[in-house]
Amino acid sequence: DAMVIQNPRYQVTQFGKPVTLSCSQTLNHNVMYWYQQKSSQAPKLLFHYYDKDFNNEADTPDNFQSRRPNTSFCFLDIRSPGLGDAAMYLCATSRTVSNQPQHFGDGTRLSIL
Amino acid sequence: DQQVKQNSPSLSVQEGRISILNCDYTNSMFDYFLWYKKYPAEGPTFLISISSIKDKNEDGRFTVFLNKSAKHLSLHIVPSQPGDSAVYFCAASGGAQKLVFGQGTRLTINP
Repeated sequence: DAMVIQNPRYQVTQFGKPVTLSCSQTLNHNVMYWYQQKSSQAPKLLFHYYDKDFNNEADTPDNFQSRRPNTSFCFLDIRSPGLGDAAMYLCATSRTVSNQPQHFGDGTRLSIL
Repeated sequence: DQQVKQNSPSLSVQEGRISILNCDYTNSMFDYFLWYKKYPAEGPTFLISISSIKDKNEDGRFTVFLNKSAKHLSLHIVPSQPGDSAVYFCAASGGAQKLVFGQGTRLTINP
């Protein structure tokens, strides 16, 4: 009974070829987040949605986009992946943005050939 | 500029003893702190949190202590069990900041 589900678990794409990662949740949480985590580093927030309101972090590259068509689903689109975009991508949800734990999926490991 | 720091990349503790994981932060606007546990090939799992109005929160074998004046928090696990072997992340939020994570500490519990 996973509550935050990420698909696929592993994704391989070619340099420059667009790729979409998927996240769904059964918690009915208002907020959905996307993080990037590289080896031995802290997860880094890319952006989040509060309901339909999109909030981009200042240092998130333009290459990264997101869509949230409904409460349950959120997508991460990487328009032209570079070698430096190889990482684990984590989706998380929370009820609100303040003083609430975030619940994470198991991540998608993205490799770039 | 790392706002949340876990200075010990790894920690090894004997089964049954106490594990103490430490975390320091620099942003005085942080008012909510969390610990997450992560097994290989899984996402982080929420363990325990503490709000800045408290200095201690306990949940079973896990206790988090917050020292606001020192900008320091710690996670105590007692007694430590083999299943506690994982990477532990501390995280903080507050003010305009969403969740900021430390780099993690790998805890190994030895039989």
